[in-house]
Amino acid sequence: EPEVTQTPSHQVTQMGQEVILRCVPISNHLYFYWYRQILGQKVEFLVSFYNNEISEKSEIFDDQFSVERPDGSNFTLKIRSTKLEDSAMYFCASRGLVVAYEQYFGPGTRLTVT
Amino acid sequence: AQKVTQAQTEISVVEKEDVTLDCVYETRDTTYYLFWYKQPPSGELVFLIRRNSFDEQNEISGRYSWNFQKSTSSFNFTITASQVVDSAVYFCALRLNRDDKIIFGKGTRLHILP
Repeated sequence: EPEVTQTPSHQVTQMGQEVILRCVPISNHLYFYWYRQILGQKVEFLVSFYNNEISEKSEIFDDQFSVERPDGSNFTLKIRSTKLEDSAMYFCASRGLVVAYEQYFGPGTRLTVT
Repeated sequence: AQKVTQAQTEISVVEKEDVTLDCVYETRDTTYYLFWYKQPPSGELVFLIRRNSFDEQNEISGRYSWNFQKSTSSFNFTITASQVVDSAVYFCALRLNRDDKIIFGKGTRLHILP
């Protein structure tokens, strides 16, 4: 069964450093998402991406964040200058063409900012 | 505004007992989708079910069943004959048809005691 994959599974970085989280969505999916879950809290939407542009973003997704689909298979989330409060689990998701379809989530990348 | 409330923060039951996880949602939209996800200790999000707002039929899948009641804006989840492997955090979630982001509840941590 096709699945969303994410790398790395765990990333440790120092405050102020740039990080890039990588995702490979399911191959025929067209809509891509990033969500964030601070430890012990609920999952929160960050951004949705379709047709090579952001379709929606939350107030969390400020200028420090950016997303890109650099090629036909990867979808990345970049945090330019990490803060301690960026420590969280980051989930990538994708879905197919029909809006009713569910979003399939990747296993997550745990980001620890020290 | 849209909201999902899971009033039960944590539940503990003894194995083989039945347990119901409550979910109440708020939206003024008439077309929406409701979801349940399971997050085991390993951290990934496992999709369990999607329900659209026009389908109030209850659903049963093995030991899992879901009770969707629009009149009370509830989408409750019951596990019968619980097993230790059911121990996880369970998230109820909502997505509007006109929107693409999933709004998660805060989750219910379920402990199944042997």
